[in-house]
Amino acid sequence: NAGVTQTPKFQVLKTGQSMTLQCAQDMNHNSMYWYRQDPGMGLRLIYYSASEGTTDKGEVPNGYNVSRLNKREFSLRLESAAPSQTSVYFCASRQTLRESDQPQHFGDGTRLSIL
Amino acid sequence: RKEVEQDPGPFNVPEGATVAFNCTYSNSASQSFFWYRQDCRKEPKLLMSVYSSGNEDGRFTAQLNRASQYISLLIRDSKLSDSATYLCVVNDPKHEVGGSARQLTFGSGTQLTVLP
Repeated sequence: NAGVTQTPKFQVLKTGQSMTLQCAQDMNHNSMYWYRQDPGMGLRLIYYSASEGTTDKGEVPNGYNVSRLNKREFSLRLESAAPSQTSVYFCASRQTLRESDQPQHFGDGTRLSIL
Repeated sequence: RKEVEQDPGPFNVPEGATVAFNCTYSNSASQSFFWYRQDCRKEPKLLMSVYSSGNEDGRFTAQLNRASQYISLLIRDSKLSDSATYLCVVNDPKHEVGGSARQLTFGSGTQLTVLP
């Protein structure tokens, strides 16, 4: 019962390098999310995807791009990494219904350091 | 004013104590509320949903006060394993996309340490 799977779990980059964080869920959820979590700041939404084929900016989208490849997969890309993007990144998914909100399920996180 | 506010703590309590956390939210149209637990360097995990009538799950009780716009979490007979950060989560109706993608807004969390 995998739930939400993120890869990689750890990554160190140099400033200016690019990379893609991968996320996949096997719960047939329609909505997927990318958050970053920094000390003392809680979870901040970067981008989300309400359904396959749609993506929208969250609270802190600058410096990131996303792709909702299919219903299962939602990737986050850093085109030119900056030290300010050092953080822990969480992917989440949930089933959103018109009549109620379901809780989110999170992946284990990716710890990213930009030197 | 933050959309969801929590007392960051830390709360340090002895084993067996009862501890309560409050969380206030700013959007009166919010309709869904949750408490999550996050252990150090781990992902947030759902602890319980919060229903209008209040709900209980073992040693944990969650309550909602719509008039004052806050939710609470009560932990009775606290255990060492309850040590974690507790996140308050509220849905955010203003971010609806097609009526079906309401965002959830997370509080910054309240840190609890249960001492032996």
